[in-house]
Amino acid sequence: GAVVSQHPSWVICKSGTSVKIECRSLDFQATTMFWYRQFPKQSLMLMATSNEGSKATYEQGVEKDKFLINHASLTLSTLTVTSAHPEDSSFYICSARSGTFYEQYFGPGTRLTVT
Amino acid sequence: QQPVQSPQAVILREGEDAVINCSSSKALYSVHWYRQKHGEAPVFLMILLKGGEQKGHEKISASFNEKKQQSSLYLTASQLSYSGTYFCGTGATNENNRLAFGKGNQVVVIP
Repeated sequence: GAVVSQHPSWVICKSGTSVKIECRSLDFQATTMFWYRQFPKQSLMLMATSNEGSKATYEQGVEKDKFLINHASLTLSTLTVTSAHPEDSSFYICSARSGTFYEQYFGPGTRLTVT
Repeated sequence: QQPVQSPQAVILREGEDAVINCSSSKALYSVHWYRQKHGEAPVFLMILLKGGEQKGHEKISASFNEKKQQSSLYLTASQLSYSGTYFCGTGATNENNRLAFGKGNQVVVIP
């Protein structure tokens, strides 16, 4: 149980375009989803926390208008990187938890490369 | 605030034991341990909650000393599959479970 999927697994896009990443909880209802960013050989940096039906809470230094997060249902959250630039290239990972357990389960991640 | 993990790296032979640590300067409600292999997402290992929990799964166990604001992960009779980077995520409250992750402990198990 507690499976989280992400789509796509990887994406290459041109500078200036927007990219949408989906995060789904497959076998539980995710009341809270988290979006992280990870650079090679570095830690997981929390970008934002989203609760179903509410606006996302962004961490300090994360641009809300650049990283649009939508958590429209209890099984789906999306992260849209708008007007992507090469410095946005990274590994983006989502995690999800339900209201009945504390642990977070991670999706497999999406590797974004902006050329 | 990011917890501090130590040691940064550990190399051990199959069958040996190791301890890796996670310390925080803030009062903690929970400590979460994950293992990540190269190019993959972190895999949940276990969570310890305020109250001085200890837990184990097979040959991996962990303790949480809330007074010292630290947790330790014990790898016993290590297996090759234990190789990876271990991250601890610390939660300050029981709401939302927003976690701060340390920089990780790299564990390499050799035959």
